[in-house]
Amino acid sequence: GAVVSQHPSRVICKSGTSVKIECRSLDFQATTMFWYRQFPKQSLMLMATSNEGSKATYEQGVEKDKFLINHASLTLSTLTVTSAHPEDSSFYICSARAVAGALSREQFFGPGTRLTVL
Amino acid sequence: GQQLNQSPQSMFIQEGEDVSMNCTSSSIFNTWLWYKQDPGEGPVLLIALYKAGELTSNGRLTAQFGITRKDSFLNISASIPSDVGIYFCAGFTGTASKLTFGTGTRLQVTL
Repeated sequence: GAVVSQHPSRVICKSGTSVKIECRSLDFQATTMFWYRQFPKQSLMLMATSNEGSKATYEQGVEKDKFLINHASLTLSTLTVTSAHPEDSSFYICSARAVAGALSREQFFGPGTRLTVL
Repeated sequence: GQQLNQSPQSMFIQEGEDVSMNCTSSSIFNTWLWYKQDPGEGPVLLIALYKAGELTSNGRLTAQFGITRKDSFLNISASIPSDVGIYFCAGFTGTASKLTFGTGTRLQVTL
């Protein structure tokens, strides 16, 4: 299978600070990576789609200046939550689709990052 | 955005029982994916379906891609305690690159 890692797994920060979350595809190259947010007992909500080397596409209602996404290589995407506030506390999950081959028809998820803003 | 309708929302079953859940949509999908999510973890891919009518198994799990391409089901046979979790269906439509998620089925298994 394909493995996606996320770091950190959990982070606690003070209100007003920025937090960076990394997402890596470990054994495949990912053309496209996705960032989701999940609130307790709810399904995953897509925040943005990032393609390597180009600007991310944000879903309606997601502030691009608040959630900065960088997809610098085919194996790494980062999400930075800028000036975090308590309402940004959530479970953030990234996922990736392979460049080509059988894996390109599927989407693999990272283990998630629990963000708590005090 | 669009979500797939998944049912049931939750299930409480006894160990050893079989489980069936389904996912329906008003749109046609060309790929169906079934995921399991444990608490505090990301979703893990269980089964992928690519053709209408396709029936695929993965151990005690069996999933089918509906003939109309608007639905899919997942069966779990002889459930065990580690089957506990939330099961999500998801799918790709046409040329869209975004994955649409179901609302989830929460499974509880009692001994």
